[in-house]
Amino acid sequence: GAGVSQSPRYKVAKRGQDVALRCDPISGHVSLFWYQQALGQGPEFLTYFQNEAQLDKSGLPSDRFFAERPEGSVSTLKIQRTQQEDSAVYLCASSLGVPSSGANVLTFGAGSRLTVL
Amino acid sequence: GQQLNQSPQSMFIQEGEDVSMNCTSSSIFNTWLWYKQDPGEGPVLLIALYKAGELTSNGRLTAQFGITRKDSFLNISASIPSDVGIYFCAGHDMRFGAGTRLTVKP
Repeated sequence: GAGVSQSPRYKVAKRGQDVALRCDPISGHVSLFWYQQALGQGPEFLTYFQNEAQLDKSGLPSDRFFAERPEGSVSTLKIQRTQQEDSAVYLCASSLGVPSSGANVLTFGAGSRLTVL
Repeated sequence: GQQLNQSPQSMFIQEGEDVSMNCTSSSIFNTWLWYKQDPGEGPVLLIALYKAGELTSNGRLTAQFGITRKDSFLNISASIPSDVGIYFCAGHDMRFGAGTRLTVKP
């Protein structure tokens, strides 16, 4: 598609529920990033995919967070047994090239706002 | 790990004024990216910088890649109400600063 698409835009979950957030990157984009943005904060890095390979998952806050990109295009961020501190906007971004290249400009989706009650 | 420090944290200016904000890093970068985020949206790229000393303009926006490769600044000239938003910097590792929140009073 023309841009990065994320769904759902809004998700309300009860504490303890599992959630899955989807990202459709721009077609042909090699790199895909997930970020967590708390209210009033900058995007915090969660994980990075180069095609289907998850090259960096150092930002995932706990083993309750899991991300995949099995065919190198669509990606899903899954949060198990959600906690109130997981409430945030989850942003997905993609770029044509790898981070160290000159084609590393990220295009962001509008985000998925997760509220855990 | 590397840290990005953005300053100032927030700015309240009058329409028509010029604005300057900057970003510093504990590590050397080969890329500096400046983004703007409006409420309810994802960040949108303003300017990308790839060479030390590079000075790039995009309309009323000007950004520079510091000679030390550890800093960058963004200037906005003759601010207008639609400049309101949060401005973020990022390095080549795609980690973001905490942002500068800009408020423009008409």
